[in-house]
Parts: sequence; structure tokens; C-alpha cells
Amino acid sequence: EAQVTQNPRYLITVTGKKLTVTCSQNMNHEYMSWYRQDPGLGLRQIYYSMNVEVTDKGDVPEGYKVSRKEKRNFPLILESPSPNQTSLYFCASSQRTSGAGEQYFGPGTRLTVT
Amino acid sequence: GENVEQHPSTLSVQEGDSAVIKCTYSDSASNYFPWYKQELGKGPQLIIDIRSNVGEKKDQRIAVTLNKTAKHFSLHITETQPEDSAVYFCAPHRGTGKLIFGQGTTLQVKP
Repeated sequence: EAQVTQNPRYLITVTGKKLTVTCSQNMNHEYMSWYRQDPGLGLRQIYYSMNVEVTDKGDVPEGYKVSRKEKRNFPLILESPSPNQTSLYFCASSQRTSGAGEQYFGPGTRLTVT
Repeated sequence: GENVEQHPSTLSVQEGDSAVIKCTYSDSASNYFPWYKQELGKGPQLIIDIRSNVGEKKDQRIAVTLNKTAKHFSLHITETQPEDSAVYFCAPHRGTGKLIFGQGTTLQVKP
């Protein structure tokens, strides 16, 4: 089944404790992206990747890191999480390198930082 | 930077009525215009999209219309059903990798 998977689905952590949220797609898509969703603010792009080893900042990259070492995986790293990073996170992939096509979203990761 | 606005932010209709959500954008180079539907507890899912060489596209009860001159596009849902209740997002795109989504419209269809 074609899909985007994220792990973990739920995470509660403390301020300053490094964490990684994994994202994997099995559709051989070129483009991958991370978003955070907060009430009233919609979806805001954190980072995106148009190809392996190519990543770029979205609208809200502060406090996050990403890497794209293989086509299928695009992990999101929070080196020192803070309470303002408490949010619902979505990973997405798209066939077109530019991302200008259907975005396939994962199921989401709900992160709470205390 | 690019500005994307959706209106209204909430919309409540009776089952069977029509619903229209409008998305206004500022980047005149945008050439791809999708609408996503997000049901409770799930990730957004594409329901319809249009490219800049087309003015209107229909898929059963949903349609998207594009006015490039005025820089807006709209989602039209006819004969609404309770299962249409969800949050809808627009995401006009110029194909450079960076995506900006609208703030979302919560549609409630009352039986």
C-alpha cells in the first residue's frame, strides 16, 4: 500500500531532550516536507527536500533540523525541544521534484514538550 | 513574502445546501491550485486541484474555479452531506518547493 509513515504517533518529552521523528514513504517520491499544525494557524512548512541531500527552509525552520540521506526517509530532529514546539506534525511527500503536485500526508505526530 | 488567505474561517450549512470557500493569494507566479480536506484525527488529503491553464474543474459534487487575474480560486461543494464536515485548506503553489497553506476553513454540515 502506497503510504507515508511517521513514528512515533504520540510523544511527550521534557524541555531540552533531543528527539527525532521519523518519516518514510514507499512511493519513490522526489519531494518530501515537514509541517506543523497549530489551532488557527493552519499548516506551516518547516523544511522541505526536493531531492536526496537537498534540503531548504520553509516558513518556520527555527529549532528544527532535517536530513535527506536516502530518498525514502526524511527525519525531523529537535535538538533542544522547547514548550513552543508543542504541536501536531505532519510529513508529506510528492512525486514532482518541485512539490507542485498532490501532497501525500502521513498520519501525524502529536508532540508535547513540558 | 507570499500571502494566502482563506474565507470564511468557519462555515455552517444545512445538508443539501451548497458551500463555497475562497482562497486569495498574492504570488502571481502561482500555477498549481489544490484543495485539501482534513478529517478529524487524520492528515490532509487532496480532493481537487487545478492548473493555471484551466478555469474550472469538476469532480462529481466538488468543483474548483480559478480567477488568475484577481488571484483567487474557490472550492464549491454542492448537495452537501454530513461526511463533508471537515477542515479544508488551499495551498497555491509556484513550483519552487516552498508551500504556504491557507489558515483552513471548518465546514459543518448539519443533518
